[in-house]
Amino acid sequence: QVQLQESGPGLVKPSETLSLTCTVSGGSISRNYWSWIRQPPGKGLEWIGYIYYNGSTNYNPSLKSRVSISLDTSKNQISLRLRSVTAADTAVYYCARRVVRGVNNWFDPWGQGTLVTVSS
Amino acid sequence: DIQMTQSPSSLSASVGDRVTIACRASQSIRSSLNWFQQKPGKAPKLLIYAASSLQSGVPSRFSGSGSGTDFTLTISSLQPEDFATYYCQQGYSTPCTFGQGTKVEIK
Repeated sequence: QVQLQESGPGLVKPSETLSLTCTVSGGSISRNYWSWIRQPPGKGLEWIGYIYYNGSTNYNPSLKSRVSISLDTSKNQISLRLRSVTAADTAVYYCARRVVRGVNNWFDPWGQGTLVTVSS
Repeated sequence: DIQMTQSPSSLSASVGDRVTIACRASQSIRSSLNWFQQKPGKAPKLLIYAASSLQSGVPSRFSGSGSGTDFTLTISSLQPEDFATYYCQQGYSTPCTFGQGTKVEIK
């Protein structure tokens, strides 16, 4: 079955760019939506955005000015870039497949998540 | 944005208890409501999608109901492995949003 694995630096300096990669195994990223979701330590879940396999994107307005999501079909990878980070961006970052069936959609499966700390 | 409010924020229950968690949306989301279970240090796991459909592999003691603005997750007989935090999430419109979570603890 499809499995997702996030990777990237665990520590990013304030004002710099956070860059993460999600590698999909057990299936193709084609004909699917892929999302990034984050969770600050001890807090709830926040949707960051998603990308469709054709490259179309949809971002959370709260992050839209700083975020970009892209994909590399040759490597079966989805990437996240978040610019100008602050301590408020410290969180566990998850990638997840967004399943769409008619008018309904949900996230499944999820990667294990990767903790990114913003600190100098 | 559609706000999702769960109640209670936490509860204590015993093994074998019937547990109910409520989720209310700030506007109608039809049946676009999903439930996730999260254990410490782990990623959320999908339990219920489209308000009442049980995800494959999830025990039948979990069930979901509701439509419009009011939804419920029920665990018919709480098991030791069910102690976790539960989140509802609306997929009706973007930005998709999550409830604040309900922590189910051992009594």
